[in-house]
Amino acid sequence: GNSVTQMEGPVTLSEEAFLTINCTYTATGYPSLFWYVQYPGEGLQLLLKATKADDKGSNKGFEATYRKETTSFHLEKGSVQVSDSAVYFCALSEDGGSYIPTFGRGTSLIVHP
Amino acid sequence: ETGVTQTPRHLVMGMTNKKSLKCEQHLGHNAMYWYKQSAKKPLELMFVYNFKEQTENNSVPSRFSPECPNSSHLFLHLHTLQPEDSALYLCASSQTPGQGYNEQFFGPGTRLTVL
Repeated sequence: GNSVTQMEGPVTLSEEAFLTINCTYTATGYPSLFWYVQYPGEGLQLLLKATKADDKGSNKGFEATYRKETTSFHLEKGSVQVSDSAVYFCALSEDGGSYIPTFGRGTSLIVHP
Repeated sequence: ETGVTQTPRHLVMGMTNKKSLKCEQHLGHNAMYWYKQSAKKPLELMFVYNFKEQTENNSVPSRFSPECPNSSHLFLHLHTLQPEDSALYLCASSQTPGQGYNEQFFGPGTRLTVL
């Protein structure tokens, strides 16, 4: 079956630091990959996505590249802000078959001023 | 209203009560989902509806009863819950499965506390 593994948190950074949250996956087919973000007191919202190998998803200064050879989709941001403090979920989904997304456990990010 | 809405946002109930959670999506999607999010646990998929038909039931106890009268509305009926059922219940929707990238749109959740 499909699975997503994320680095355990919390990740604690100072403002303007560089962020990497690792995500690796296993899938039977060729999935689409996603990062979702959950701010305190809210539901999850899509942050970025990539649908095929070597695609780069980007949004709000965050980036992630679909690496098929390493089955990874690491999330990066060059300079984090306090407002980026949230829980980040990596997920995959396949067209057809089991289309239901598989989520990682989530990584909490805390950014200090 | 836009997106996915959930009511109520907060609910406190006793173990003998009966209550319902409501979810509504204004996105024209055909698939709707219930998730349970507990502290320190992974996101748990509970139920999936596709074109109003239930397609997934992840061994959820019968004290949780879903209802999907149409593609825009999803309910979760609760009765004789246990304290361990206290959690954030998230509703989500997506386009017709298999025809898109299957990204999900989530509501803000209902924070349920069972006393």
